[in-house]
Amino acid sequence: SSELTQDPAVSVALGQTVRITCQGDSLRSSYAGWYQQKPGQAPLLVIYGKNNRPSGIPDRFSGSSSGNTASLTITGAQAEDEADYYCNSRDSSGNLVLFGGGTKLTVL
Amino acid sequence: QVQLVQSGAEVKKPGSSVKVSCKASGGTFSTYPVNWVRQAPGQGLEWMGGLVPIFDTTNYPQKFQDRVTLTTDESTRTAYMELSSLRSGDTAVYYCAAQNPGGYFDYWGQGTLVTVSS
Repeated sequence: SSELTQDPAVSVALGQTVRITCQGDSLRSSYAGWYQQKPGQAPLLVIYGKNNRPSGIPDRFSGSSSGNTASLTITGAQAEDEADYYCNSRDSSGNLVLFGGGTKLTVL
Repeated sequence: QVQLVQSGAEVKKPGSSVKVSCKASGGTFSTYPVNWVRQAPGQGLEWMGGLVPIFDTTNYPQKFQDRVTLTTDESTRTAYMELSSLRSGDTAVYYCAAQNPGGYFDYWGQGTLVTVSS
């Protein structure tokens, strides 16, 4: 399969924990990357690999994976975390790059 | 730290071509192969293709194989994306993104808006 599937929208109360998921066959053989995108801005890598955060990304962001599903967890969501989140991985052949359709996170 | 600076917005006629540039500074240019991702208004991210340095080739999804050409000028540390036979559905923000060894995009250009309109 050459698709990554995400829920279109998720909401979380301020300070609570939220999990955003990404499903696809390619995730059985490769870890997902997660990107945060705010309006008018370029995407920002927040999680990659097994559970790695680039420099400057708060530790409330974490990643996990099980079978064909990757998850991005935000523990103690802040107002500034309201954004679109995209997952990506290589396809099963390793030659192509896939993106999920994106999840719009609303912090209430 | 790699910084990517893209060329400015373009307005093109249907059927024409557009060439977007992406100039890198900082880091080692060859270490971070440049890929291209586009985003139509209100839509998600769509990968258009990228360099595969190990094999010195370029990979494209089938959708773009006949219309996208990716090139690199290492002397000026600049990558280019040319999209031909433009149609209204190509109206989008086009991003260049540098891919780390794990295959993830940890540096992005600011985006270039390409508008296709008659």
